[in-house]
Amino acid sequence: QAQLVESGGGLVQPGGSLRLSCAASGLTISNNYMTWVRQAPGRGLESIAYISSTGSSTHYADAVKGRFTISRDTAMNSLFLQMRNVRADDTGVYYCVTEDGGVPFWGQGVLVTVSS
Amino acid sequence: DILMTQTPLSLSVTPGEPASISCRSRLSLLDSDGNTYLDWYVQKPGQSPQLLIYALSNRASGVPDRFSGSGSETDFTLTINRVEAEDVGVYYCMQRIEFPSTFGQGTKVEIK
Repeated sequence: QAQLVESGGGLVQPGGSLRLSCAASGLTISNNYMTWVRQAPGRGLESIAYISSTGSSTHYADAVKGRFTISRDTAMNSLFLQMRNVRADDTGVYYCVTEDGGVPFWGQGVLVTVSS
Repeated sequence: DILMTQTPLSLSVTPGEPASISCRSRLSLLDSDGNTYLDWYVQKPGQSPQLLIYALSNRASGVPDRFSGSGSETDFTLTINRVEAEDVGVYYCMQRIEFPSTFGQGTKVEIK
């Protein structure tokens, strides 16, 4: 059974850095694109970063462009999100999302809190 | 970014009655591969979004058959045949024909 497990969240000060990980099992990340979706407290869902199935193409939402970097390690079958210069409005739950056999698939999410 | 507009934003339903939620896209979600990349999710309090319908009309594994998805290239509907108490939550439509995936504002479903 396919599974995505996010980790690396926690409390970080404004201007600080954090690296989120998403470990995949039961599916091979190099077969599919992968994205990070986040949800601020009490708000809707926002897709913020994308990496293609080949890993050669990445895209970012304007809100995180220049501050966040999406990457992957196919040997570890894992996805990452390096977050730099974080702000209070980056607070929220971050989800790792992909497709498995054409069906969207989400992890359970990891909480990031940006506060001094 | 593709704007997704959901209506209504809230819905109060009597158990056993039907309910429907509409979602409209500014651009066609029909891909050249023949698939329409519109999905429906429900988010229950304190939980991550759960997939209900993918690619317009395919029920996800384990989803009761009272849930159905329909629509065309830009206009979509999620229908709950007979609402049950466990169906409370916020429902989102999502397009994934292009990045960034974009979501409707969410429809909060409550039980009368």
